[in-house]
Amino acid sequence: EAQVTQNPRYLITVTGKKLTVTCSQNMNHEYMSWYRQDPGLGLRQIYYSMNVEVTDKGDVPEGYKVSRKEKRNFPLILESPSPNQTSLYFCASSLRSGFNSPLHFGNGTRLTVT
Amino acid sequence: QQQVKQSPQSLIVQKGGISIINCAYENTAFDYFPWYQQFPGKGPALLIAIRPDVSEKKEGRFTISFNKSAKQFSLHIMDSQPGDSATYFCAASRRNAGNMLTFGGGTRLMVKP
Repeated sequence: EAQVTQNPRYLITVTGKKLTVTCSQNMNHEYMSWYRQDPGLGLRQIYYSMNVEVTDKGDVPEGYKVSRKEKRNFPLILESPSPNQTSLYFCASSLRSGFNSPLHFGNGTRLTVT
Repeated sequence: QQQVKQSPQSLIVQKGGISIINCAYENTAFDYFPWYQQFPGKGPALLIAIRPDVSEKKEGRFTISFNKSAKQFSLHIMDSQPGDSATYFCAASRRNAGNMLTFGGGTRLMVKP
C-alpha cells in the first residue's frame, strides 16, 4: 500500500531531551516536507526537501533540524525541545514539487513537551 | 500574520444542506488554490484544487468558486452528508512554488443527520 509512515504516533517528553520523529514513504517521491498543525493556525511548513541531500527552511524552522540522506526517509529532529513545540506534526510527500503533484500526508505525530 | 484567512472556524449543517467555507488571501502572487480534507486521526488529503484562470471548478458535490479581483475563494459542499464531517483547510501557493503551501486556519464541519 502506498503510504507515508510516521513514528511514533504519540510522544511525551521533557524540555531539552533530544528526540527524532521518523518519516518514510514508499512511493519513490522526490519531494518531502514537515508541517506542524496548531488550532486556528492551520498547517505551517517547518522544512522541505526537493530531493536527496537538498533541504530548505519553511515558515517555522526554528528549533528543528532535518536530513534527507535517502529518498524514502525524512526524519525531523528536535535537538532541545521546548513546550512551545507541543503540537501535531505531519510529514508529507509528493512525486515532484509542482502543483500537479498532490501532497500525501502521514497520519501525524502528537508531541507533548513538558 | 496569516496570509490565508479562513472562515468560519466551525460549521454545523443539516444533512442535505449546503456547506460553505470561505478563504481570503493577500498575496497576489498566489496562483494555485487547493482544498484539503482531514478526518480525525488522519492526515489531510487533497479534495479539489483550482487555478485562477477559471472562476469555478466542480467535482461531484464539491465546488470551488474563485474571485480573483476580491482575492477570495470558497468551497461549497452540496447535499452535505454526515460522512463529510471533517476539518477542511484551504491553501495557496505561488507560481513555481508548487507544493510550498500556505494553509488557512481550518474549518471543522459537522453535518447532522
